[in-house]
Amino acid sequence: AQSVSQHNHHVILSEAASLELGCNYSYGGTVNLFWYVQYPGQHLQLLLKYFSGDPLVKGIKGFEAEFIKSKFSFNLRKPSVQWSDTAEYFCAVIGYSSASKIIFGSGTRLSIRP
Amino acid sequence: DAGVIQSPRHEVTEMGQEVTLRCKPISGHDYLFWYRQTMMRGLELLIYFNNNVPIDDSGMPEDRFSAKMPNASFSTLKIQPSEPRDSAVYFCASSTRGRGWSEAFFGQGTRLTVV
Repeated sequence: AQSVSQHNHHVILSEAASLELGCNYSYGGTVNLFWYVQYPGQHLQLLLKYFSGDPLVKGIKGFEAEFIKSKFSFNLRKPSVQWSDTAEYFCAVIGYSSASKIIFGSGTRLSIRP
Repeated sequence: DAGVIQSPRHEVTEMGQEVTLRCKPISGHDYLFWYRQTMMRGLELLIYFNNNVPIDDSGMPEDRFSAKMPNASFSTLKIQPSEPRDSAVYFCASSTRGRGWSEAFFGQGTRLTVV
C-alpha cells in the first residue's frame, strides 16, 4: 500500500536560514511525487512535482526537491527562507497504476521568525 | 478555467441535521477526490471517483457519510446525521491521467462546524 511519511511536524527557523523538510514514501513501483503548500486559511497549492527525468526539481518561490529513488525520499529544500514562507507543507505520492490514489503526508508546519 | 469550485465556503449546522457539500471539478478532469482536514488527523482521503464511478471509499468514516458524482461536472458529499466530531475543512480536488498523472488541483474548501 502507498504511504507517505513526513518526520518533521513543526519546524521553526529564522529568516534567511536554509530549509530542508523530509519526505519518505512507500510504494513498490513507479511514482509521481508532489509538494504542496497551504498558507494559513487557504487551500493546498502545488509547489513542485516530479514525474520523470532530472531528479532535482525546481518549483515556485525558490523551492526545490530531490528525488532519491534508492532512499524512497523526496526532500524539499530552500536555501534562504522568508517570513512569507510560514505555512504548512505537504508531501504527496501517487503510484503509476490507474488504481492509485493521491496520498498525502501528515504535513510539516513551518514557522519563520522575522 | 475557474479551478475547482466548492460550495458553500462555510457551513454551520446543528447536530443531527443533514449537510451537503458540493464540488465542481475542473473541466476535463476525470478524477475527483474528497479530503477532510482536521488538526488531529491531518489531511485524510475520504473517497475518490474516476469517470464518475467511486473507486475507493475506504476512507469514508461511517455510514453517515455518502458521496455521489452524477456527472462529470458535479459531486456531492453528504453527512446525515451530522455530529460535532464531523467539524473540519472538507476539500475537493480533481486531476487527470493522460500520459501521466497531473497534480491534484484543490478547491477552496468548505469549513463545516457542527454545534
